[in-house]
Amino acid sequence: NAGVTQTPKFQVLKTGQSMTLQCAQDMNHEYMSWYRQDPGMGLRLIHYSVGAGITDQGEVPNGYNVSRSTTEDFPLRLLSAAPSQTSVYFCASSLQGPTYPGLYGYTFGSGTRLTVV
Amino acid sequence: KNEVEQSPQNLTAQEGEFITINCSYSVGISALHWLQQHPGGGIVSLFMLSSGKKKHGRLIATINIQEKHSSLHITASHPRDSAVYICAVLLNTGNQFYFGTGTSLTVIP
Repeated sequence: NAGVTQTPKFQVLKTGQSMTLQCAQDMNHEYMSWYRQDPGMGLRLIHYSVGAGITDQGEVPNGYNVSRSTTEDFPLRLLSAAPSQTSVYFCASSLQGPTYPGLYGYTFGSGTRLTVV
Repeated sequence: KNEVEQSPQNLTAQEGEFITINCSYSVGISALHWLQQHPGGGIVSLFMLSSGKKKHGRLIATINIQEKHSSLHITASHPRDSAVYICAVLLNTGNQFYFGTGTSLTVIP
């Protein structure tokens, strides 16, 4: 199935634990990004990548690390989880970035609901 | 601090009604997205606009760059249109989107 695959779908962590949210796409998209979605707030960009080996910070990068060793994968790492990181996380990809005028623009994953207690 | 404002926040309509969701923004942009988020959480990109109007089936999106305003219209609404509709703008100074908080639409049979 073509698209963006996120795992896991749900996760509960204790404060201080670490974990990696996985994101993979099979559409040969160069641009990949991570967002968090919180109640009453719009999606906020955490980190993004314009190609393998290239990453950059978004609006809310603190507490998160990323790497992009292949075109297909863009994992998001929480090194020491905090309750403020309780959120729904979405990975999205696009062929050439936000300005690419594709028919459907971005392709989003189905989300990971993370709770930090 | 929100650069993107959507209205209304919540909307309930009878099946068949014409629906309008509005998006206003306060910054210079190069493009605007309309997204649909289903109750299960999945997000689908509906439109990307930089000017004028686009139509896809029963959905119509318009943008007025001078007035910094966009609208999403749904004609002959159906219960399957029930979802959260999100407006996102691409700033002309950056390489990322800023998102509105969404409009939750419920269409009653």
